[in-house]
Amino acid sequence: AQSVAQPEDQVNVAEGNPLTVKCTYSVSGNPYLFWYVQYPNRGLQFLLKYITGDNLVKGSYGFEAEFNKSQTSFHLKKPSALVSDSALYFCAVRDIASKGTALIFGKGTTLSVSS
Amino acid sequence: EAGVAQSPRYKIIEKRQSVAFWCNPISGHATLYWYQQILGQGPKLLIQFQNNGVVDDSQLPKDRFSAERLKGVDSTLKIQPAKLEDSAVYLCASSFVTGGVEAFFGQGTRLTVV
Repeated sequence: AQSVAQPEDQVNVAEGNPLTVKCTYSVSGNPYLFWYVQYPNRGLQFLLKYITGDNLVKGSYGFEAEFNKSQTSFHLKKPSALVSDSALYFCAVRDIASKGTALIFGKGTTLSVSS
Repeated sequence: EAGVAQSPRYKIIEKRQSVAFWCNPISGHATLYWYQQILGQGPKLLIQFQNNGVVDDSQLPKDRFSAERLKGVDSTLKIQPAKLEDSAVYLCASSFVTGGVEAFFGQGTRLTVV
């Protein structure tokens, strides 16, 4: 079965420091991988995706993610964190086993950036 | 470009009552999803529509949940009768085409069942 894991409930980082939010996946074929961000009382906002091609994917708001097939990981990164990056981050994988194209989401990681 | 619209934003009902949620996807988006997000968890798919047809409803509790997408545009999700464990945020999302294209989410409806 397809699944995605976010091993950290919370990540704390100081403003200006680099940040990493971890994600590992399990799929039977080639994965379609996504990162979304959720601010309080808001819906999910798309950050970036990996479908094929370059392993380093660049997305919105200066975020990027690195696809690593051997480690089955898709970690979200940003070189310099901002206080405004504080939010809930979800990693998701497309469920190719389902009849549709819906995403399977991890449980989420809360990112807290201190000033 | 207008985003995915959902209403109401908040709803409080007693158990065993019924409730309905409405979603208007982004114009031109053929695919529409309803997800349930329980506090502390990631969203979980309830149902996916392609135009006005159901693509996947395998995780929809059909004894109490129903959804429709008449004319392939707006959609409604209904719960009858509601249970305490249905307390969650119900998210609607849409995408232009299926496949690897990302979905755009509405702000969600927060349901509290007391």
